[in-house]
Amino acid sequence: NAGVMQNPRHLVRRRGQEARLRCSPMKGHSHVYWYRQLPEEGLKFMVYLQKENIIDESGMPKERFSAEFPKEGPSILRIQQVVRGDSAAYFCASSRQGARSTDTQYFGPGTRLTVL
Amino acid sequence: KQEVTQIPAALSVPEGENLVLNCSFTDSAIYNLQWFRQDPGKGLTSLLLIQSSQREQTSGRLNASLDKSSGRSTLYIAASQPGDSATYLCAVNAGGTSYGKLTFGQGTILTVHP
Repeated sequence: NAGVMQNPRHLVRRRGQEARLRCSPMKGHSHVYWYRQLPEEGLKFMVYLQKENIIDESGMPKERFSAEFPKEGPSILRIQQVVRGDSAAYFCASSRQGARSTDTQYFGPGTRLTVL
Repeated sequence: KQEVTQIPAALSVPEGENLVLNCSFTDSAIYNLQWFRQDPGKGLTSLLLIQSSQREQTSGRLNASLDKSSGRSTLYIAASQPGDSATYLCAVNAGGTSYGKLTFGQGTILTVHP
């Protein structure tokens, strides 16, 4: 059973470009969470999604960031018009049941975004 | 607002020592608490999850305790090995309207030298 998959592992963008980060949850998991780890900072929650629904986006910046988890395919975290401050490691996690359950969240290897 | 603090920020010990990592949180109304390990440039590996109704969990050489009323958790590592070197993260799931959102501490960087 493959773990959480994220791609690309490393992504380089120039200021003003768009970044698309993909996350495929573990098989049988329908809950996805995105976290960001800025340099020298801890992991911060961004958004929690279930298939076709955003459950909690309280950690998402108000502008330029969006996330989706369609019925088919991976979850996508999209950052429009990237700026240098977006450079960070972005981690995706998944769980089988909802966050109110006893399930742990399983993390992917992360995508390291560098904005030049 | 939930805040999670981990002490110490870094720890260096010789192989074989038993050690304790500390985690404290400001709001005791938590749903569960997890300890993770993060290796450089890699993702997180879940070590132990303690539900709010539990006081401890054990896995191999690891033992995690939870004292919800005082807002504290400890991770005990017995007979440390060089392979234990990593950053250890404590994360709290606050539940309620914040369910799904893990709040992380800054981590403890552990180095076990031979």
